[in-house]
Amino acid sequence: DTEVTQTPKHLVMGMTNKKSLKCEQHMGHRAMYWYKQKAKKPPELMFVYSYEKLSINESVPSRFSPECPNSSLLNLHLHALQPEDSALYLCASSQGTGFGSNQPQHFGDGTRLSIL
Amino acid sequence: AQKVTQAQTEISVVEKEDVTLDCVYETRDTTYYLFWYKQPPSGELVFLIRRNSFDEQNEISGRYSWNFQKSTSSFNFTITASQVVDSAVYFCALISGSARQLTFGSGTQLTVLP
Repeated sequence: DTEVTQTPKHLVMGMTNKKSLKCEQHMGHRAMYWYKQKAKKPPELMFVYSYEKLSINESVPSRFSPECPNSSLLNLHLHALQPEDSALYLCASSQGTGFGSNQPQHFGDGTRLSIL
Repeated sequence: AQKVTQAQTEISVVEKEDVTLDCVYETRDTTYYLFWYKQPPSGELVFLIRRNSFDEQNEISGRYSWNFQKSTSSFNFTITASQVVDSAVYFCALISGSARQLTFGSGTQLTVLP
């Protein structure tokens, strides 16, 4: 079982819907990440939170809005997504600050998102 | 700048065969870290190993072994006596001293046939 838990595992939504992806870890890690992964491609970094503050935003469109309510939780709020946003969304956590951290990242199972 | 190349897109072997997954990296930094991750069909990336640039010792963990060679900028991964459960996409990744984030290779899809 993974130590990083993501919900839901699957999500289908229309382009006008608002939904949220959730991620939780209880390893005491202070850095948390959101990645987007298209089929047959490596993960692409979206956001990094370090000590509950956003430290990296890789020029992600504003229809994706991250939130870190506390050191164990990370949310990704979705609104007005496009069909090309359909992908696997992975959450990860690591020790260290997140910015340029060399600590291994531990990943969740991901949320498979489909935009109709 | 940092770059990771996994030239093998797909590899197919029969169970019990040994298989080596290649990883070649580029970085100008003298301090860097290399990683291997496994991604089974379920989606989760599973951390396998981290190696820093100052430690060129090869490592063995059960059926897995890693060969780090700075002279050729390679960090290859060998699975001995492969099993069907080894079927997955394997990613090599790099983070170097000046980088903001992990750089992944394009991944190698390994299929182990019974």
